[in-house]
Amino acid sequence: DAGITQSPRHKVTETGTPVTLRCHQTENHRYMYWYRQDPGHGLRLIHYSYGVKDTDKGEVSDGYSVSRSKTEDFLLTLESATSSQTSVYFCAISESGFQETQYFGPGTRLLVL
Amino acid sequence: QKEVEQDPGPLSVPEGAIVSLNCTYSNSAFQYFMWYRQYSRKGPELLMYTYSSGNKEDGRFTAQVDKSSKYISLFIRDSQPSDSATYLCAMTFGSSNTGKLIFGQGTTLQVKP
Repeated sequence: DAGITQSPRHKVTETGTPVTLRCHQTENHRYMYWYRQDPGHGLRLIHYSYGVKDTDKGEVSDGYSVSRSKTEDFLLTLESATSSQTSVYFCAISESGFQETQYFGPGTRLLVL
Repeated sequence: QKEVEQDPGPLSVPEGAIVSLNCTYSNSAFQYFMWYRQYSRKGPELLMYTYSSGNKEDGRFTAQVDKSSKYISLFIRDSQPSDSATYLCAMTFGSSNTGKLIFGQGTTLQVKP
């Protein structure tokens, strides 16, 4: 298995509170991604990073921000959580871009009450 | 209309059956086509990867791409209960950081012993 960990694995929070999810990799891959997975929608890209401090928006970026200060860590922040952000969040990594194999982490289950 | 359409199922088959999973897409610029397998409460893992049109075989799995029809398929021969999972198709244009990976909704497969 690719060395990807996500923390926390489960989280329950209240509407309006900030939440930060962490993705950590030990593969030294350049690209890192955050996806959310919801029934009927499959996986949708939130944000991605193509290097330290280099990030860009994905399909569903509203209400989310990201940061990457080190190659191995990619943080996803929900500035003010809403119930519509209840989802399963997956981090993924790849060596050199979207056309390369993406390796996924185990996921974080987030419930916003 | 979604860029990538996939019948969510569920699909239930007896052990040993041939399974056919399909996706259609609308953007003719897609060049790389992938199938991911996702077991319950796990992250997706890459199963098959093809570039452009044609077939690719790996053991019991065959991936087919028909770009003229904008249609891709995954065939599983001699299906096993361990094949029970959700299968996600995914595709990208091929550019390293502008050709984002687009996923289908996933098809849930159950193989009954």
